[in-house]
Amino acid sequence: EAQVTQNPRYLITVTGKKLTVTCSQNMNHEYMSWYRQDPGLGLRQIYYSMNVEVTDKGDVPEGYKVSRKEKRNFPLILESPSPNQTSLYFCASSLSGTGSSVEQYFGPGTRLTVT
Amino acid sequence: DAKTTQPPSMDCAEGRAANLPCNHSTISGNEYVYWYRQIHSQGPQYIIHGLKNNETNEMASLIITEDRKSSTLILPHATLRDTAVYYCIVRVANSGGSNYKLTFGKGTLLTVNP
Repeated sequence: EAQVTQNPRYLITVTGKKLTVTCSQNMNHEYMSWYRQDPGLGLRQIYYSMNVEVTDKGDVPEGYKVSRKEKRNFPLILESPSPNQTSLYFCASSLSGTGSSVEQYFGPGTRLTVT
Repeated sequence: DAKTTQPPSMDCAEGRAANLPCNHSTISGNEYVYWYRQIHSQGPQYIIHGLKNNETNEMASLIITEDRKSSTLILPHATLRDTAVYYCIVRVANSGGSNYKLTFGKGTLLTVNP
């Protein structure tokens, strides 16, 4: 089944403890992206990747890192999480990062709480 | 990208057609209209997109006015599982890189009632 998977689905952690949220897609997609969703603010893009070893900042990259060493994986790294990073996170992928590729596929989400 | 305006909420009876409006009066000639939906706290799901002509797929129909300043998403026979937030998004057709992201507004919460 074609899908985007994220792990963990739920995570409660403490301020400053490094964490990684994994994202994997099995559709051989070139484009991958991370969004966060907060009440009243909608979905905002954190980072995106057009292809392997190519990543770039989205609208809200502060406090996050990403890597794209393999086509299928795009982990989101929080080196020193803070309470304002408590949010619902979504990974998405698309065949390519250009307008010719219309549909973006989203993962199930990771609900992160930083205390 | 052009801004969109959607009603915050709508109700629909199960089995009836749900018609969700979207206003995009500042849309440019090279911008498509996309619709996604998000069932409570799940990942958004693509529904349909269009440029000028009306479009239909297995999920829905998209009606775009001749002046392209507004559109309507139609779910022909709404079910309880169609209860979700529906997002209308306008984006340049051939945008890439940083412009490829989807900008989600607040959307319309559609509640399908039994």
